[in-house]
Amino acid sequence: AQKITQTQPGMFVQEKEAVTLDCTYDTSDQSYGLFWYKQPSSGEMIFLIYQGSYDEQNATEGRYSLNFQKARKSANLVISASQLGDSAMYFCAMREGLSPIKAAGNKLTFGGGTRVLVKP
Amino acid sequence: NAGVTQTPKFQVLKTGQSMTLQCAQDMNHEYMSWYRQDPGMGLRLIHYSVGAGITDQGEVPNGYNVSRSTTEDFPLRLLSAAPSQTSVYFCASSAYRVGPYEQYFGPGTRLTVT
Repeated sequence: AQKITQTQPGMFVQEKEAVTLDCTYDTSDQSYGLFWYKQPSSGEMIFLIYQGSYDEQNATEGRYSLNFQKARKSANLVISASQLGDSAMYFCAMREGLSPIKAAGNKLTFGGGTRVLVKP
Repeated sequence: NAGVTQTPKFQVLKTGQSMTLQCAQDMNHEYMSWYRQDPGMGLRLIHYSVGAGITDQGEVPNGYNVSRSTTEDFPLRLLSAAPSQTSVYFCASSAYRVGPYEQYFGPGTRLTVT
């Protein structure tokens, strides 16, 4: 069974500084996808970034980058130049397979989340 | 595009009552799913569907039913509400044709069972 672990329940970061959110995963599959979602206080889930298990380069999307260390089974999210609007819960999630197989579906397993508070 | 919509936003039920949470998407996505989020926890999969007429159970299906008669709609039915079903419920959808197949989430329904 898949498992996602986020060991940091909460953290503070100074505005304009970078922050790293830890995520480790456990799977016996060779093919999988890793996702990060942001959940602001308003409650919606916002997709941030994706990394496939065979991707050799770390994924980047604007101020978000994913530090993927396959051998260590970690997929840490780095937010550069933090802004006040980055204050939110952040969830790491994993999907079996690189693409949704019709019979298996596009099931995600989520970690418990990390709450980030950006200080001015 | 409205994306994924959910109704109602809030609901209070008494133990034993039944209700249906509505979910609709206008992106022609094949895949739809329901998750629940309990306080301080990540999301857990309840049921999912890979297309109209096809549904299957996720991690925590007990006490819930689903059906998918159209591509657009995926309602979740609580058969006999229990306090343990107090949670925030999210519906999500994704495509099969365009990677990375990320899921788009609705705004959630906050359910309280007394």
